[in-house]
Amino acid sequence: DQQVKQNSPSLSVQEGRISILNCDYTNSMFDYFLWYKKYPAEGPTFLISISSIKDKNEDGRFTVFLNKSAKHLSLHIVPSQPGDSAVYFCAASVTGNQFYFGTGTSLTVIP
Amino acid sequence: EAEVAQSPRYKITEKSQAVAFWCDPISGHATLYWYRQILGQGPELLVQFQDESVVDDSQLPKDRFSAERLKGVDSTLKIQPAELGDSAMYLCASSHRGLITADTQYFGPGTRLTVL
Repeated sequence: DQQVKQNSPSLSVQEGRISILNCDYTNSMFDYFLWYKKYPAEGPTFLISISSIKDKNEDGRFTVFLNKSAKHLSLHIVPSQPGDSAVYFCAASVTGNQFYFGTGTSLTVIP
Repeated sequence: EAEVAQSPRYKITEKSQAVAFWCDPISGHATLYWYRQILGQGPELLVQFQDESVVDDSQLPKDRFSAERLKGVDSTLKIQPAELGDSAMYLCASSHRGLITADTQYFGPGTRLTVL
């Protein structure tokens, strides 16, 4: 049973516009969430995290929003750049336990 | 910047052969993870170490997979015998503490295994 879901396998956005990647989870005990970016033939690279005590965390062009009541988080990238084209994974955990990953969303930023 | 090291980057083997992957985590990171990622899916945890001890290997197919982290630093994941369905990316990650506090995992570049 998939505890973390990314229902959009792909997303295309024009350069300079906002990219919004979504992630849903089923386990209400999850309290720590991560976003990773992955290029082909490389390991995932950590982007940004959020704890369940917050509803927003921002780092430069990247902002993660957490809606605990809806069990939903999203990653906003603004402005989007061609170098942002990659597969993005969200991951969730109960502190101290394993992370569960979504299936990824492939983002293409069109110049 | 400290990185998680993995080798080899690519491995091609025939089914029924033995393969081994090596991981060196970021210095000082107590927790080490091995994941398997099948194309089109997210990483799935195989085994988690805290120092030299296994804390979670519930998803490790123990009839053919084994993992060790003898000195609590680097780790080896072995498959014997390899099967066609083992073809995947094997990722190693490490984190500073992991068990007590929420902590980010940092991934290595992975080993791409192809079983023929």
